[in-house]
Amino acid sequence: AQSVTQPDIHITVSEGASLELRCNYSYGATPYLFWYVQSPGQGLQLLLKYFSGDTLVQGIKGFEAEFKRSQSSFNLRKPSVHWSDAAEYFCAVGGGSYIPTFGRGTSLIVHP
Amino acid sequence: NAGVTQTPKFQVLKTGQSMTLQCAQDMNHEYMSWYRQDPGMGLRLIHYSVGAGITDQGEVPNGYNVSRSTTEDFPLRLLSAAPSQTSVYFCASNKGLDTGELFFGEGSRLTVL
Repeated sequence: AQSVTQPDIHITVSEGASLELRCNYSYGATPYLFWYVQSPGQGLQLLLKYFSGDTLVQGIKGFEAEFKRSQSSFNLRKPSVHWSDAAEYFCAVGGGSYIPTFGRGTSLIVHP
Repeated sequence: NAGVTQTPKFQVLKTGQSMTLQCAQDMNHEYMSWYRQDPGMGLRLIHYSVGAGITDQGEVPNGYNVSRSTTEDFPLRLLSAAPSQTSVYFCASNKGLDTGELFFGEGSRLTVL
C-alpha cells in the first residue's frame, strides 16, 4: 500500500532563511508526487508535481522539489522564505489509477 | 471561475441529527472525492467517485454515505451524526486520476455536540 511520511510536524524559520520540508513515500511503482499548501481557513492548492522526467521540479511561489528515487524522498525547498509562506504543507503520492494518499502535513511558522 | 464549491461552510449539529454536505464542480471532472481533516491526521479519504453512478469507499467511510447522480454534484450524507465526526471536510475533484492534480473546495467545518 502506498504511504507518505512527513517527519516534521512543525518547522520554524526566520523570514529570508532557506527552507526544506521533508517527504518520504512508499509506493510500488513509479510514483506521482505532489506538494500542496493550505493557508489558514482555506482549501489546498497545488504547489508542484512530479510525474516523470527531470527530477528537479519547479512550482509556484518560488518553490521547488527534488525527486530522489534511491531515498524515496520528494523534499520541498525554497531559498528565501517570506512571511506569507506560513501555512500547512502536504505531500501526496499517487499514480495511474491509485487514489492520492496524503501525509499528515508540516506546519510552517515564519518569524519576522 | 467557481471551481469546487462546498456548502455550508460551517454547521453545528446535535448527536443523532442528519445532514448533507454539498459539493459541486463546474470543470466537468470525472473524479470527485471527500476528505476529512483532523489535527495531526492530515487528510483522510472518506469516499470517492470516478464518474456518475460510481462510488467507492476510502479509508474512513463509516457513518457517511455518498451518491453521484450527475458529473457535477457529489453530496456527502451523515445519517446519524456523532461527536467523532467533528472535523473539517474537503471535497476535491480531478479530471482523471492519471492527471494528478486535485482541485479542492474551501472546506466545511462541522461540529457535532
